[in-house]
Amino acid sequence: DAEITQSPRHKITETGRQVTLACHQTWNHNNMFWYRQDLGHGLRLIHYSYGVQDTNKGEVSDGYSVSRSNTEDLPLTLESAASSQTSVYFCASSTGPKGEQYFGPGTRLTVT
Amino acid sequence: DQQVKQNSPSLSVQEGRISILNCDYTNSMFDYFLWYKKYPAEGPTFLISISSIKDKNEDGRFTVFLNKSAKHLSLHIVPSQPGDSAVYFCAASPLNDYKLSFGAGTTVTVRA
Repeated sequence: DAEITQSPRHKITETGRQVTLACHQTWNHNNMFWYRQDLGHGLRLIHYSYGVQDTNKGEVSDGYSVSRSNTEDLPLTLESAASSQTSVYFCASSTGPKGEQYFGPGTRLTVT
Repeated sequence: DQQVKQNSPSLSVQEGRISILNCDYTNSMFDYFLWYKKYPAEGPTFLISISSIKDKNEDGRFTVFLNKSAKHLSLHIVPSQPGDSAVYFCAASPLNDYKLSFGAGTTVTVRA
């Protein structure tokens, strides 16, 4: 069965370190998204991609970057982790504008 | 500025009764609306959607109503079951855009 996976599921890191969160989907979807979930804010879009070599900034992109070298993967990199980036991160994928997004199980990141 | 608002952080309802979740939006360009359900430690899952050309969409126990003039939508769950206890997110996207804007979520607790 097609799925979307995230790794690691839990990560603790120190302030200033570079961290990469992995997202892999086997739906063959062109569109992929990264969100963070924080209490009181719901899900906020960090970065998104509509295809290989395409990346775009979302509403809370500062301090994050993504790259899309193939259809299946969209890794999210925190260049220099900050305590404000402690959150739960979700990756999602979709087929088109009216296609619902399928979410991964999430990565809980703690920056100490 | 949050474009999708869920003003009730929580809702408690007795099993068998109706649950009504509300959502307001400010962007008049939104034309597609979705509800997602999220259990703890899992990613959100798609529940039901509605296009702006409709004012109602039903799927089993779930019905979504859209009032475009009021920029308001609601989700009705009838009858509510213990397994419906979860966080519900309202989301919206503009015409021909793959991005979703999410509300902050409403935590539903169904009491036995």
